[in-house]
Order: sequence, then structure tokens, then C-alpha cells
Amino acid sequence: DAKTTQPNSMESNEEEPVHLPCNHSTISGTDYIHWYRQLPSQGPEYVIHGLTSNVNNRMASLAIAEDRKSSTLILHRATLRDAAVYYCILRPYYNQGGKLIFGQGTELSVKP
Amino acid sequence: DAGITQSPRHKVTETGTPVTLRCHQTENHRYMYWYRQDPGHGLRLIHYSYGVKDTDKGEVSDGYSVSRSKTEDFLLTLESATSSQTSVYFCAIRGGGNEQFFGPGTRLTVL
Repeated sequence: DAKTTQPNSMESNEEEPVHLPCNHSTISGTDYIHWYRQLPSQGPEYVIHGLTSNVNNRMASLAIAEDRKSSTLILHRATLRDAAVYYCILRPYYNQGGKLIFGQGTELSVKP
Repeated sequence: DAGITQSPRHKVTETGTPVTLRCHQTENHRYMYWYRQDPGHGLRLIHYSYGVKDTDKGEVSDGYSVSRSKTEDFLLTLESATSSQTSVYFCAIRGGGNEQFFGPGTRLTVL
């Protein structure tokens, strides 16, 4: 399975945008890019996913590089509730069972 | 809210005793998963199910068994609990867009 690389931690200020990077230089053409986050003492929460084009939803935006070797999760206006560990995960289209392989993620802290 | 509950939410048991954790869903999803989460290891897949009586192993399946006799319930059993199985266990279901929705977790301590 292709691997992702994320910074261990990032800091942001409340009400400012946050850009969380993810490198996946060995991504294959059929790998979907998924983002999940995990708030303290909770289970992971689905955020967004995409294949080639940029994606937006009510939680965040996903910007995918043209060569697909990197992506960025964008939180447009960070709140204190966005403090969490963010996981970037590659899921092959033909992945039997839809299994997810979690890495260590990026721990985001948000300062008031 | 994907309608996933886990029981019990907390359990303390002794080494060598059997333990069963239950995951219940209310939305008739075909795929269900059991993960464990430990410091320094992140989340790791134990077993998953792709239908009633259809299960397969994940990356850390040794010492665990699962059963799914009804669509809504996915059981994880530790036949003889060991201290290395002290962990937080999460159940998940797969939604229609291939995203996964996770339950609140069960914190298991094996003394």
C-alpha cells in the first residue's frame, strides 16, 4: 500500500485558515485520498475524500496537486473544536473490504 | 450520526478470561470493522465483515475472533485476554460513499 507523510504537529490561531499538508509520492492512479480526524477521546471522524479534482464539503476543502503526489486539507476558519489529529489515508479503488490504513497523523492545536 | 453503538464502553478484566465486545448499527450497512488504537501505533485493523457470516482478517488479528450472525451486530471476542490486548477498540461501518463511520470506542484494560 502506498504511504503518506504528514507533519507530526501544527499550530493555528482561531478563526484563521489552516492548511494541513500530506505527501504521497508513491500514489497510484486508482488510489483515493481520504482525510479523517480524531478529536480527543472520540472515534475517528470522516472529513473528506477525493481522487483527482479538488473537493469541498461543509467541513473542509481538499486540494490535490496536479501530479497527485501531494494534497492539502484546508480548514477555512479554524475553531477550537477543530483541535484534533488529522489523518491522510490512501485507499485503493480495488481495496478489498475498503480497509483503511492509518498513519500517525498531524496533531493540530488551535490557539484562541 | 451513523447509528453505531459499542458495548461495553469500559471494561476491566483479568488475564486469561474471555471477553466479548459488541458493535451494533441501525442502518443496515454491509461492511463493519474492528480496530484497536494504542499509543505509538495509531489505529490498526483487527477484523472486518462484508456480510452476515462473512468475515476476514486485518493486520493484527492474532488472539481475536469475530462473528456476525445478524447484519446489525458485529462481535469481537478475545478468547483468553492478555495484557497486550489492553487498548481502545473502535468499531466502524462503511457508508455508501466508501467513507467509514466510527463508534465511540470501548476502553479495555486487562490486568
